[in-house]
Amino acid sequence: DIQMTQSPSSLSASVGDRVTITCRASQSISSDLNWYQQKPGKAPKLLIFDASSLQGGVPSRFSGSGSGTDFTLTISSLQPEDSATYYCQQRYSTPTFGQGTKLEI
Amino acid sequence: EMHLVESGGGLVQPGGSLRLSCVASGFTFSSYEMNWVRQAPGKGLEWVSYISRSGSTIYYTDSVKGRFTISRDNAKSSLYLQMNRLRDEDTAVYYCARQKEQLVWVFDPWGQGTLVTVSS
Repeated sequence: DIQMTQSPSSLSASVGDRVTITCRASQSISSDLNWYQQKPGKAPKLLIFDASSLQGGVPSRFSGSGSGTDFTLTISSLQPEDSATYYCQQRYSTPTFGQGTKLEI
Repeated sequence: EMHLVESGGGLVQPGGSLRLSCVASGFTFSSYEMNWVRQAPGKGLEWVSYISRSGSTIYYTDSVKGRFTISRDNAKSSLYLQMNRLRDEDTAVYYCARQKEQLVWVFDPWGQGTLVTVSS
């Protein structure tokens, strides 16, 4: 299985901040990387697929980049509703997820 | 609006069985591949199983092979997960998730989840 490692595991930031979360794959996965947002007690929500494609309806302050083994999720101007846990997931092979990054505002 | 609603979770003893259901609405269920993904309490996400549109192709994560069976009834827009020989480590919220059109292993949307607790 391909292992996905996110950093940091948690972070605290303020409204308006620019925040970056990183995800590293244990082997090259091309651009086969998705990002999800999960709020407490809710189902995950797809934000970005194929490393940088924004899912419809997702605010443009969210963006993704990277290829190969290293990826980033960036929130350009943090909003209170962005408080959540974020997961990366590789789709290069049988899917595996990162351990999550808890973002507190 | 696309909607997935899971049911069937509950408390079961180790070694017991449970059958989860997921009913879809707002889209043509038979046109989409489907998955089960689980999340142990306070933990991350783990993909469990996949089924193709016709049900002819099925995959499982290793830890559930031989114990869990995924199936679907396209006439009823329903997805199922039969879970046998349950273990403590199967305790989790189980989500059904639709595979995004023409994109393998991209999950959107997800249901609200159903909690399975395996405990004596």
